[in-house]
Amino acid sequence: SAVISQKPSRDICQRGTSLTIQCQVDSQVTMMFWYRQQPGQSLTLIATANQGSEATYESGFVIDKFPISRPNLTFSTLTVSNMSPEDSSIYLCSVEGESAEAFFGQGTRLTVV
Amino acid sequence: GENVEQHPSTLSVQEGDSAVIKCTYSDSASNYFPWYKQELGKGPQLIIDIRSNVGEKKDQRIAVTLNKTAKHFSLHITETQPEDSAVYFCAASLGGYQKVTFGIGTKLQVIP
Repeated sequence: SAVISQKPSRDICQRGTSLTIQCQVDSQVTMMFWYRQQPGQSLTLIATANQGSEATYESGFVIDKFPISRPNLTFSTLTVSNMSPEDSSIYLCSVEGESAEAFFGQGTRLTVV
Repeated sequence: GENVEQHPSTLSVQEGDSAVIKCTYSDSASNYFPWYKQELGKGPQLIIDIRSNVGEKKDQRIAVTLNKTAKHFSLHITETQPEDSAVYFCAASLGGYQKVTFGIGTKLQVIP
């Protein structure tokens, strides 16, 4: 199984500002996934990040709001831009194992005030 | 796209009793069905999964069953313990880096 480290684990941010979340994996992976989990809700896929190409966004999510970087096979960042209170959520990084199972980081709990 | 429904949303059981969580999916092409446990303040952790060529899988106190004809799958936890208290998510996928669709989650409380 993959070990995934996310930073920061939590943050409180002012509306209108941006926060960049980092995800580090202990092994090289082809794809990395970013999810949002709103309070008391399930996980919703934001985008899929491949190394060397632009991320692929799911319906309802756009690059201007959630820019993603994938500079190498073990690292990715997700930025939440121009934040509003509605962006308060847990953001999760995920990678896929050899048998298609998904492994998650511990998440970043974001509160926008 | 795939739609996964999960119930119940909350479940309370006495310690030692069994707990059952049920999910249905809509895309008959889905062939991979993982279950995740999420404890407070942590990311989801894979606890068991099943693929479409298998009807049942067991790992100690946890078992999962799959009925492809009816497009539903279930998680069974026997001899529940307080540390089983968490939110459980079912999910469905086409496998192989395809999108994973999650159910809404079941908050399980095991009462000592």
